[in-house]
Amino acid sequence: NAGVTQTPKFRILKIGQSMTLQCAQDMNHNYMYWYRQDPGMGLKLIYYSVGAGITDKGEVPNGYNVSRSTTEDFPLRLELAAPSQTSVYFCASSQRRTAYTLYEQYFGPGTRLTVT
Amino acid sequence: TQLLEQSPQFLSIQEGENLTVYCNSSSVFSSLQWYRQEPGEGPVLLVTVVTGGEVKKLKRLTFQFGDARKDSSLHITAAQPGDTGLYLCAGMNTGTASKLTFGTGTRLQVTL
Repeated sequence: NAGVTQTPKFRILKIGQSMTLQCAQDMNHNYMYWYRQDPGMGLKLIYYSVGAGITDKGEVPNGYNVSRSTTEDFPLRLELAAPSQTSVYFCASSQRRTAYTLYEQYFGPGTRLTVT
Repeated sequence: TQLLEQSPQFLSIQEGENLTVYCNSSSVFSSLQWYRQEPGEGPVLLVTVVTGGEVKKLKRLTFQFGDARKDSSLHITAAQPGDTGLYLCAGMNTGTASKLTFGTGTRLQVTL
């Protein structure tokens, strides 16, 4: 199993450009998440999905969009990139382990994005 | 909005020393997880604590969940250079699609 994969690893965007960050998982997890991590900080939830066709906003959704057409893929779209979106972006997935709600999240290696 | 504050933010110690990292909130969580993140990688789960007062040990690491399920601590005994990394606590509430609220992080550096 590859786990959670993210592409690209690094990207530099000019202000106003758009791009899509790709995320895929091969663990058949229903739940998927996008986080951003600013330098020296914890992670903030951007969007999440509880299954194909279902997405919802997290703590910091402005400037981003997501879609979930399959269980495996959860791309994050940045429209009109701004310097404030310079960050490291992590995708994660999880699945209920037992009837008791112990959800472990598995993270991808991250995409480092710079907007100049 | 639920917040998790970690202290200290940064810790630099020598090999063999002991340390404790704290994770505090004014909110109650149904469970709390601790992750470690190394440079250039995503966080990796270390442990999940669920019951108030619960203590879990992972080799030289001891995790405790507060009685009121609002706080947690991570104690490392005889730290080693391999313990270097960013430690993140994350709280979860039942019925929230297992969304995590992450703490602010504690960066640990262990030198020889």
